[in-house]
Amino acid sequence: SQTIHQWPATLVQPVGSPLSLECTVEGTSNPNLYWYRQAAGRGLQLLFYSVGIGQISSEVPQNLSASRPQDRQFILSSKKLLLSDSGFYLCAWSRRHTEAFFGQGTRLTVV
Amino acid sequence: SQQGEEDPQALSIQEGENATMNCSYKTSINNLQWYRQNSGRGLVHLILIRSNEREKHSGRLRVTLDTSKKSSSLLITASRAADTASYFCATSPYDQAGTALIFGKGTTLSVSS
Repeated sequence: SQTIHQWPATLVQPVGSPLSLECTVEGTSNPNLYWYRQAAGRGLQLLFYSVGIGQISSEVPQNLSASRPQDRQFILSSKKLLLSDSGFYLCAWSRRHTEAFFGQGTRLTVV
Repeated sequence: SQQGEEDPQALSIQEGENATMNCSYKTSINNLQWYRQNSGRGLVHLILIRSNEREKHSGRLRVTLDTSKKSSSLLITASRAADTASYFCATSPYDQAGTALIFGKGTTLSVSS
């Protein structure tokens, strides 16, 4: 069966520090991968998606970047965090036009 | 960008009552999906309805889709306290190569016993 792992679960980082969130998928190959951000009490904002290794599409220009170094690995990064980067980050995978499977999320607080 | 918009934003009901949530979207879709999120957790897929379907059932869930009005509704019958969560609709755009799911802002459902 397929599983998705996302870590860490919580993270407190100072302003200006770097960020690296990792997401891996098991039990499937060539998945579509997504990073979403959810502000408190709000909906999900699509940040990045990838349909293959090295292929990244950005939905919102911002302080973040994403990379897909391996087929089932998706990384969200920042060189210098801003206060506004705080939020709940969710990784997900899916096949084209099918249901998405989400990780448990990372609660990022930038202080 | 957010395509779906759920209505109402918040809903409070008693156990045993039915809960209805609505979703509107803007562009042509391949399918529309509903997800549930418990507080502080990831989303869980509930049901998917394709653009050529009008109604779908799964247990206590009933979903309708009206592509002419670009709207969908989720009905939860005989609600339970355990149904308390946020519910999101998500659309899979028809013409988007990356087929990224676009989510609405969600409806927060509170079911009291």
